[in-house]
Amino acid sequence: QVQLVQSGPEVKEPGASVKVSCKASGYTFTNYLMHWVRQAPGQGPEWMGIINPSGGGTKYAQNFQGRLTMTRDTSTSTVYMELNSLRSDDTAMYYCARKDCSGVICYEVYWGQGTLVTVSS
Amino acid sequence: DIQMTQSPSSLSATVGDRVTITCRASQSIGTYLNWYQQKPGRAPKVLIYASSSLQSGVPSRFSGSGSGTQFTLTISSLQPEDFATYYCQQSYDLRTFGQGTKVEI
Repeated sequence: QVQLVQSGPEVKEPGASVKVSCKASGYTFTNYLMHWVRQAPGQGPEWMGIINPSGGGTKYAQNFQGRLTMTRDTSTSTVYMELNSLRSDDTAMYYCARKDCSGVICYEVYWGQGTLVTVSS
Repeated sequence: DIQMTQSPSSLSATVGDRVTITCRASQSIGTYLNWYQQKPGRAPKVLIYASSSLQSGVPSRFSGSGSGTQFTLTISSLQPEDFATYYCQQSYDLRTFGQGTKVEI
């Protein structure tokens, strides 16, 4: 069965960087693009970006340009999300989610369990 | 960027009620609209995709409709396990989520 397992919670100081991993299993890793979505406490989800595990191509939301890097390791079927210059408002649950499509309509069925990133001095 | 606006932001309902949630897109998105349910401490779960297609395993009391800029999620007879927060999501251009509708007792 499809599983996305994320790394554990992180506590970081303002200005630091965080790198969250998402290990995929149960399917061919390079056949499906992967989103990263975050959710601040009490807020709706916010799309951060997407990576193509096959070629490594990425697209990031405008809000994160210059601070966000997504990478992948095909040997371990893992995608990574690294966010730099952390601020207190980056405190959120971070999710990876696989892009699935039915015809031309795409949506996210499989999600990681989430990684809580807390930014505090 | 495409903005998604949901209404209401919260509603109170009783088991057996018919519940309707509305989502409006800032520009036409055809039927590139998905609905998710989220419970506390859990990831979102897709209920409806392509505006009106029921995801496998989702009870038939959930239904969706709409196209262009106006969309609706309906729960025909609210069950205890349906108390949660619901989000619309556009997949026409990257992704944007609505701000959510909390369904509570």
